Amino acid sequence: KQEVTQIPAALSVPEGENLVLNCSFTDSAIYNLQWFRQDPGKGLTSLLLIQSSQREQTSGRLNASLDKSSGRSTLYIAASQPGDSATYLCAGSMIKAAGNKLTFGGGTRVLVKP
Amino acid sequence: EPEVTQTPSHQVTQMGQEVILRCVPISNHLYFYWYRQILGQKVEFLVSFYNNEISEKSEIFDDQFSVERPDGSNFTLKIRSTKLEDSAMYFCAGAEGQRTYGYTFGSGTRLTVV
Repeated sequence: KQEVTQIPAALSVPEGENLVLNCSFTDSAIYNLQWFRQDPGKGLTSLLLIQSSQREQTSGRLNASLDKSSGRSTLYIAASQPGDSATYLCAGSMIKAAGNKLTFGGGTRVLVKP
Repeated sequence: EPEVTQTPSHQVTQMGQEVILRCVPISNHLYFYWYRQILGQKVEFLVSFYNNEISEKSEIFDDQFSVERPDGSNFTLKIRSTKLEDSAMYFCAGAEGQRTYGYTFGSGTRLTVV
């Protein structure tokens, strides 16, 4: 059974500092890895999708890497801003014939202080 | 950008009552999912739906739960007799394909069972 863990559970940084968020998974047979942002009481906004054949994806200040052999993905947010304050979730899908459900980590709650 | 629309945004119901949570997926999506998030806990998979039938369901998705897509547009989750522990945020999600596409989530329905 796939387990996804995110450490740390919470992170507080001053504005302008780079953020590094970690995600680890127990089963290397992960297929896709997707990073989401969740604001308090709100839905999940997709940030980046790393497909099975890829090792990283970039969008603006965000960069995510995926290393299946070590069971890790990392989300980098450059030059953090107060608007980046949110909970960041990683989720992986398994190689499977049907369903292709996502298994989520517990999230990292980020606070960027002005 | 296309969105997954969920209604209502918040529903309060008495224990033992039936509730129906509604979702309008993105038109070109073929795979549909329900997830839930109990306050302070991980996002959990409930059920996946493809080609008008359930393709996978979790242990949470017992006989009290059902899903359907009766008119080819709305995708609904029904809880027949709600319990206090069903209180959670319920998310609908969709994907164009099974392997190469990421998920798009709705903004969620907060269900409170009293």
